[in-house]
Amino acid sequence: EVQLVESGGGLVQPGGSLRLSCAASGFTFSSYAMSWVRQAPGKGLEWVSAISGSGGSTYYADSVKGRFTISRDNSKNTLYLQMNSLRAEDTAVYYCAKDREEYCGGDCPADVWGKGTTVTVSS
Amino acid sequence: DIQMTQSPSSLSASVGDRVTITCRASQSISSYLNWYQQKPGKAPKLLIYAASSLQSGVPSRFSGSGSGTDFTLTISSLQPEDFATYYCQQSYSLFTFGPGTKVDIK
Repeated sequence: EVQLVESGGGLVQPGGSLRLSCAASGFTFSSYAMSWVRQAPGKGLEWVSAISGSGGSTYYADSVKGRFTISRDNSKNTLYLQMNSLRAEDTAVYYCAKDREEYCGGDCPADVWGKGTTVTVSS
Repeated sequence: DIQMTQSPSSLSASVGDRVTITCRASQSISSYLNWYQQKPGKAPKLLIYAASSLQSGVPSRFSGSGSGTDFTLTISSLQPEDFATYYCQQSYSLFTFGPGTKVDIK
């Protein structure tokens, strides 16, 4: 069974840092690009970042560029999101998601999602 | 950046109704348009990809159409489990979600 499990969320003060992890299983992790998508309380979905299967290409939303870093360890089947200089507006549930197709060139939808991890930025 | 809009923002419908949701892109995105369903407290679920392709396991009452800037998600006969929020997403240039359409019970 294909599964994604996020962890690492929590309460952090403004300006602080947090690293999210997403453990993947049930598929050939290195063959698929992965994404992070967030949802602020009571709001819609916002794409945050994506990374190619090899990790060689990364993409960011303007709202997090320069503050967040996406990475992956294909030997551990794990996706990461390092979040620095956190702001109140970063408060959200963060989902990791898997591309629908192998070796997709950055235009594939996500067909499997984790349950999400909650990040709260507050003093 | 490509902006996405959806209409209506919410609608009330009855079981058995035909429901149509519209999504518009700020520039042409060809057929790089996907639809997701999200229920409260749950992760999104992919329904339609590439504007009109039905994701495996999704009931055939869901369909998508359109290309360029204007797209439509149609539920042919609304079922109790379809009450949810629906999001369109462009994947032509990175990714952008629409603001969502909440479908609730009339």
